[in-house]
Amino acid sequence: GAVVSQHPSRVICKSGTSVKIECRSLDFQATTMFWYRQFPKQSLMLMATSNEGSKATYEQGVEKDKFLINHASLTLSTLTVTSAHPEDSSFYICSIGGGGYGYTFGSGTRLTVV
Amino acid sequence: GQNIDQPTEMTATEGAIVQINCTYQTSGFNGLFWYQQHAGEAPTFLSYNVLDGLEEKGRFSSFLSRSKGYSYLLLKELQMKDSASYLCTLNQAGTALIFGKGTTLSVSS
Repeated sequence: GAVVSQHPSRVICKSGTSVKIECRSLDFQATTMFWYRQFPKQSLMLMATSNEGSKATYEQGVEKDKFLINHASLTLSTLTVTSAHPEDSSFYICSIGGGGYGYTFGSGTRLTVV
Repeated sequence: GQNIDQPTEMTATEGAIVQINCTYQTSGFNGLFWYQQHAGEAPTFLSYNVLDGLEEKGRFSSFLSRSKGYSYLLLKELQMKDSASYLCTLNQAGTALIFGKGTTLSVSS
C-alpha cells in the first residue's frame, strides 16, 4: 500500500511564530491530500482538502489565512500554521486516499505552542 | 451533514469479548471504516464494510446495517495491547473521512 511520511513528528514553537508541517506521499501520486486536527480526547476533524496545483478547500470555521496549505507537487503537501497561538496546540495529521481505495495516514505532528 | 455516535469509554478484561456500537445519521456514504488509534499516533485500519453484514478478520469483526444506521466492532480474546481508541468512520466517495469521537477501550488483567 501507499506510504505517507509526515514531518516533524513533534514541534514546540513560541507564540506568534509560524510552523510548517510536511506530508509526503512516497510511492503514490496524490492529487488530493487531507489535513486533520485532533485536540485531546476529541475526534479527528477535517481541516482542509489539499488539491495539487490548485487552492485548498477549507472546512467551515478553519481560517485559510492562518492555516496555509500548499500542494505544489503530486507527492508533497505542506501545512503552515502562521502566527501560532497556544490554542493551536494540537495533533495534526495528513492522509491520502479515497475514491474507492484505502486511506493512508501520516504519522502525525504534535504541535505545542508556548 | 453526518452525525456519528459511539460510547465514550468501555472497560473489559483480558480474554473477554467486547462489542463497540456505532450509530450514524448521514445522507449517503460509500462504506464504514473502523480504525484503532493509540494516543499520539495515526489511526490504524481495522475493517471496512460496504455491504450489510458481518466482516470477520481474525480477532476483529465488524457489522453494518444501512437500514438501521448501525454498525458494531467486535473484539475477541482481548489483549492488553487492545487498549486504545476505536473510531467509527464514514467514507464518502473521493472525499475525506468523517470520524466519530471514538470509544476509549481499557483492557485490564
